[in-house]
Amino acid sequence: NAGVTQTPKFRILKIGQSMTLQCTQDMNHNYMYWYRQDPGMGLKLIYYSVGAGITDKGEVPNGYNVSRSTTEDFPLRLELAAPSQTSVYFCAGGLAGAAYNEQFFGPGTRLTVL
Amino acid sequence: QKEVEQNSGPLSVPEGAIASLNCTYSDRGSQSFFWYRQYSGKSPELIMFIYSNGDKEDGRFTAQLNKASQYVSLLIRDSQPSDSATYLCAPYSGYSTLTFGKGTMLLVSP
Repeated sequence: NAGVTQTPKFRILKIGQSMTLQCTQDMNHNYMYWYRQDPGMGLKLIYYSVGAGITDKGEVPNGYNVSRSTTEDFPLRLELAAPSQTSVYFCAGGLAGAAYNEQFFGPGTRLTVL
Repeated sequence: QKEVEQNSGPLSVPEGAIASLNCTYSDRGSQSFFWYRQYSGKSPELIMFIYSNGDKEDGRFTAQLNKASQYVSLLIRDSQPSDSATYLCAPYSGYSTLTFGKGTMLLVSP
């Protein structure tokens, strides 16, 4: 099992460009998450999904969009990139219940917007 | 707004010592608590979770929880240089998402 994979590993965008960060998991997890992590900061939740066809906003959703057409894939779309979106983006898949939430993280995508 | 507070550090300890990492949280509805370790330039990985008041031990790691005080800690015994990383605390309230603290950087010197 590859776990959670993300592509690309690195990307430089110009202001105003758009791109999609890809995330795929092969663990059959219903729950998937997108986070961003700025230097010296914790993980901020952007969007999450509890199953195919269901997505919801996290703490910092502005400037991003997601879709979840299959259990395996959870792409994150950046429209009109801004320097404030320079960050490391982590995708995670997980198991969640009433008292348990274990998340498995992908290797991350380092994005720079210039 | 759910608040999770951790001392950013760095917390410096010599090899073989006990490292104590602390976390306070604001959401009294938090039911369980997760500790993730993140090496520099890498993604977080789960190392411990606890949901009952008291202590939970796993090898060199001990998680301690006091829900009345809204406080959770992670003790690392016999610290090793390979334990040098940032440790993220994440309470869970049962609504599908975790709230992560900013993390505490631990440096273990040989």
